[in-house]
Amino acid sequence: QQQVKQSPQSLIVQKGGISIINCAYENTAFDYFPWYQQFPGKGPALLIAIRPDVSEKKEGRFTISFNKSAKQFSLHIMDSQPGDSATYFCAAPPINTGFQKLVFGTGTRLLVSP
Amino acid sequence: DVKVTQSSRYLVKRTGEKVFLECVQDMDHENMFWYRQDPGLGLRLIYFSYDVKMKEKGDIPEGYSVSREKKERFSLILESASTNQTSMYLCASSLRGGQGNTIYFGEGSWLTVV
Repeated sequence: QQQVKQSPQSLIVQKGGISIINCAYENTAFDYFPWYQQFPGKGPALLIAIRPDVSEKKEGRFTISFNKSAKQFSLHIMDSQPGDSATYFCAAPPINTGFQKLVFGTGTRLLVSP
Repeated sequence: DVKVTQSSRYLVKRTGEKVFLECVQDMDHENMFWYRQDPGLGLRLIYFSYDVKMKEKGDIPEGYSVSREKKERFSLILESASTNQTSMYLCASSLRGGQGNTIYFGEGSWLTVV
């Protein structure tokens, strides 16, 4: 069964700083690694995803870096803003069939201080 | 705008009661999911449905059942609620097929069992 290990569990970053969240996974049936963002009182929503024929994907201030040999991927938030304060979940595909069923990490609560 | 609607946001139930959590999506998605979210444990899949009347157990199905009689509606049932089922429950949906489709979440149902 797929396991996704996410760290840190919580993170405090000053405004303008860089937030980094890491995830490690086991084998996967295919390569698709999304990050979801959840604000208090809301459900998670897709933030950014990578299909690693490339090792990095950037969308605005958010970047996914992917290391296939190490089976790790990370989310970098550049110039972090108080509005980025949320819980972030990484996810990875399952090991076997049933590719619709992503496996989520345990979440990182990010607080960006003004 | 895509929408997954969970009819009950906050519920308080007594131990032993039968609890129904209802979810409706308006995106004509084939897949629907029920997750449970607990601090430090992330999002754990309870049940998954890939078509009407079809279901698969997720990682933590014990104590739960589901019903999908119509494509747009997916219900989670707690046959006899227990205090360890106090949690936030998230319904979600996605398209079927392909490798990695966006999962759209509802805003969650907070269940307290006393």
